[in-house]
Amino acid sequence: GQQLNQSPQSMFIQEGEDVSMNCTSSSIFNTWLWYKQDPGEGPVLLIALYKAGELTSNGRLTAQFGITRKDSFLNISASIPSDVGIYFCAGQPEYGNKLVFGAGTILRVKS
Amino acid sequence: ETGVTQTPRHLVMGMTNKKSLKCEQHLGHNAMYWYKQSAKKPLELMFVYNFKEQTENNSVPSRFSPECPNSSHLFLHLHTLQPEDSALYLCASSQDRGWQGYHEQYFGPGTRLTVT
Repeated sequence: GQQLNQSPQSMFIQEGEDVSMNCTSSSIFNTWLWYKQDPGEGPVLLIALYKAGELTSNGRLTAQFGITRKDSFLNISASIPSDVGIYFCAGQPEYGNKLVFGAGTILRVKS
Repeated sequence: ETGVTQTPRHLVMGMTNKKSLKCEQHLGHNAMYWYKQSAKKPLELMFVYNFKEQTENNSVPSRFSPECPNSSHLFLHLHTLQPEDSALYLCASSQDRGWQGYHEQYFGPGTRLTVT
């Protein structure tokens, strides 16, 4: 139904590498949001997407709203140690006005 | 600084205690939320307030009691909690856009609750 499958669950990468993560669903979503959560803090909004096919950047971060409206991708280029944290996707379903959250991707960076 | 503040940041309470969590938003939003975040689980929506009216209660046990005196403040009153209620409790706010939904939610830093 309206669940979001976020993958991968965790990543351990070398500093300088690019990162890619995604969220998929069997349902259509009208809005996709990407958040980052640092330890002991609340999630911080990184990027918001509102149209199918939309590609939006925020510094080294780029996110896309899939054209089927059932998925979204987040890419981080040239990772640095401060990129560590948990990245969450969230979406507003086509029917219903509650945000649905993915389980998160844990990112660790080796320097 | 996201414009949403929460106090206290950490709370340890016994199962017979009564305590309250406080949230304040400085963003001019009209909707506020309580979420529970447990380890390795997606965020669980607990309550939604829209223009001070509760519009969502996601089957939350009555030992959690929300209060929204105005559109900038939200409380979560806690009593006779269980150890499994230990979690990070997050407050969020957004601007309700009617049929277009709530759009972006902005989160506070959370209250780390431990029930002993």
